[in-house]
Amino acid sequence: DADVTQTPRNRITKTGKRIMLECSQTKGHDRMYWYRQDPGLGLRLIYYSFDVKDINKGEISDGYSVSRQAQAKFSLSLESAIPNQTALYFCATSEGYIQYFGAGTRLSVL
Amino acid sequence: GEDVEQSLFLSVREGDSSVINCTYTDSSSTYLYWYKQEPGAGLQLLTYIFSNMDMKQDQRLTVLLNKKDKHLSLRIADTQTGDSAIYFCAERGTGANNLFFGTGTRLTVIP
Repeated sequence: DADVTQTPRNRITKTGKRIMLECSQTKGHDRMYWYRQDPGLGLRLIYYSFDVKDINKGEISDGYSVSRQAQAKFSLSLESAIPNQTALYFCATSEGYIQYFGAGTRLSVL
Repeated sequence: GEDVEQSLFLSVREGDSSVINCTYTDSSSTYLYWYKQEPGAGLQLLTYIFSNMDMKQDQRLTVLLNKKDKHLSLRIADTQTGDSAIYFCAERGTGANNLFFGTGTRLTVIP
């Protein structure tokens, strides 16, 4: 079983819809992150959380929100999806200086 | 934010060595990383190097760090078709809460 699990793996949605991407981890790490990957741009940080009560904006948080429901769960929401949010989204956890990534959620906004 | 740059593509023949290069701008980088992304998969940590080191070797992988020039490289010896993937360079600055990634280099191994 994967240590960092993202659901769904693929999602197609329409402009204006609200969607949620979920991430759960069994590594027992306090720190969790959401990144998006676009071709030719690498990974960019959306939000991060150091514990259940700590949520921080990353480089590109506009249009996104997050919820840290428990130490093991960190969800990313798009309140009103738009086509330029089409991307591959990664959740990660960390302890110390190593980050561990999930398999990604491929999101298409039509 | 910090800039991390990589070339987008590299092709090598099976059995040859591959060298993937990365440059970064953050002079306070503490750790530098190489991640591998295979098709349909997440990012897998390959190796990392602390900024006070200039070389690290792990089986077929050799990481070289030139801190003065802010240049990091990953050498893969005896490259195999299974090494075909996208390789990301990333750096973590002092006190940074996250990693800064390069664009990724797509390595294609030709049989």
